[in-house]
Amino acid sequence: QKEVEQNSGPLSVPEGAIASLNCTYSDRVSQSFFWYRQYSGKSPELIMSIYSNGDKEDGRFTAQLNKASQYVSLLIRDSQPSDSATYLCASLHERGGGNKLTFGTGTQLKVEL
Amino acid sequence: DTGVSQDPRHKITKRGQNVTFRCDPISEHNRLYWYRQTLGQGPEFLTYFQNEAQLEKSRLLSDRFSAERPKGSFSTLEIQRTEQGDSAMYLCASSLVVTSGYNEQFFGPGTRLTVL
Repeated sequence: QKEVEQNSGPLSVPEGAIASLNCTYSDRVSQSFFWYRQYSGKSPELIMSIYSNGDKEDGRFTAQLNKASQYVSLLIRDSQPSDSATYLCASLHERGGGNKLTFGTGTQLKVEL
Repeated sequence: DTGVSQDPRHKITKRGQNVTFRCDPISEHNRLYWYRQTLGQGPEFLTYFQNEAQLEKSRLLSDRFSAERPKGSFSTLEIQRTEQGDSAMYLCASSLVVTSGYNEQFFGPGTRLTVL
């Protein structure tokens, strides 16, 4: 079982719709979670971080964390074609002072006109 | 804030050659990380530094790989005797950690390595 799992997609949504991206993780020790956006051929760009249960909103993005269910999600409201990218979910491990991010394989999002 | 920079952006080399990559983190950041990403996968952790100290290395980091951060500023990643399996995007990230658990890592543009 991978530590962080995502559906690879592609997830296709029409312009203006809400895109819902999901991620599950296996390590209950993980404390912090991050969503990165990655355009083809580019490096990951941090778009959201979440540290406690509940919702966190930033503009059109809402991250949701449920530690009991080991589930993280990202909602993108009013999706735009420029949101078309791969979205990477990552968990932070702090075992023994280490701080590595463990990534899922990413979900490809396509926003269609 | 100039962001994380990496050099070179692309490197093509022949199998068996040595290569070295450089990363300059965001200036006030105390932690620096190296990751590797292959097509269709998320980045995989290689190693990280707290200031000049290398505190953790992944099993992925074979003896052919070495990383340094001599003055706690820029870092270099060297791969000796490159193999075709080393072909990947090498990503550097940095963060400012003052409180445990709050660690936002910002990535540089990456160095794409192709081993022929």
